[in-house]
Amino acid sequence: ETGVTQTPRHLVMGMTNKKSLKCEQHLGHNAMYWYKQSAKKPLELMFVYNFKEQTENNSVPSRFSPECPNSSHLFLHLHTLQPEDSALYLCASSQTLAGAYEQYFGPGTRLTVT
Amino acid sequence: TQLLEQSPQFLSIQEGENLTVYCNSSSVFSSLQWYRQEPGEGPVLLVTVVTGGEVKKLKRLTFQFGDARKDSSLHITAAQPGDTGLYLCAGARANAGKSTFGDGTTLTVKP
Repeated sequence: ETGVTQTPRHLVMGMTNKKSLKCEQHLGHNAMYWYKQSAKKPLELMFVYNFKEQTENNSVPSRFSPECPNSSHLFLHLHTLQPEDSALYLCASSQTLAGAYEQYFGPGTRLTVT
Repeated sequence: TQLLEQSPQFLSIQEGENLTVYCNSSSVFSSLQWYRQEPGEGPVLLVTVVTGGEVKKLKRLTFQFGDARKDSSLHITAAQPGDTGLYLCAGARANAGKSTFGDGTTLTVKP
């Protein structure tokens, strides 16, 4: 595997379900990000991790719970979501949080909440 | 408040035409990236500019960073259908710990 991978690619879940999104980067980077991309809205930064430590929580509701066990893996745990949470969830990584901030994105998970 | 504004929001042109899209801000950035995103995929990094006035070329794409490092432009020469996608700019301020994305320009190139 190369680059940034995300699983699953598509997810349909009910409002009472619990699911997790997984992201893995094979680039040796130290920073990882979760973004939400909805139709007709700009990319919204959700969380930032640097060397496994959370450095940014952009006022995300507690029904989204991130986990970063090491610099290569990032999870987003989902529970009691709302229909308006349906979106493309993108994971990204960068070498560090300093410098050029060049980010490498995964293909995303298309989430539908019914 | 949107820190980075991109224009136009939508652009539809014929194959072979030239085009320019813009990314503007009132803030100074230490670096700025351009990405292209195709439907159902994540954004792909095209270029990074860091020096005021810098011009970078990537085949038919020319990127320019404003002298004051507050704005940038992307010019495509002889557009092709494969250039179709969402073009995003992202600016990073020194020591901010994150970058800010514009809302993108959706480009459609018709054969």
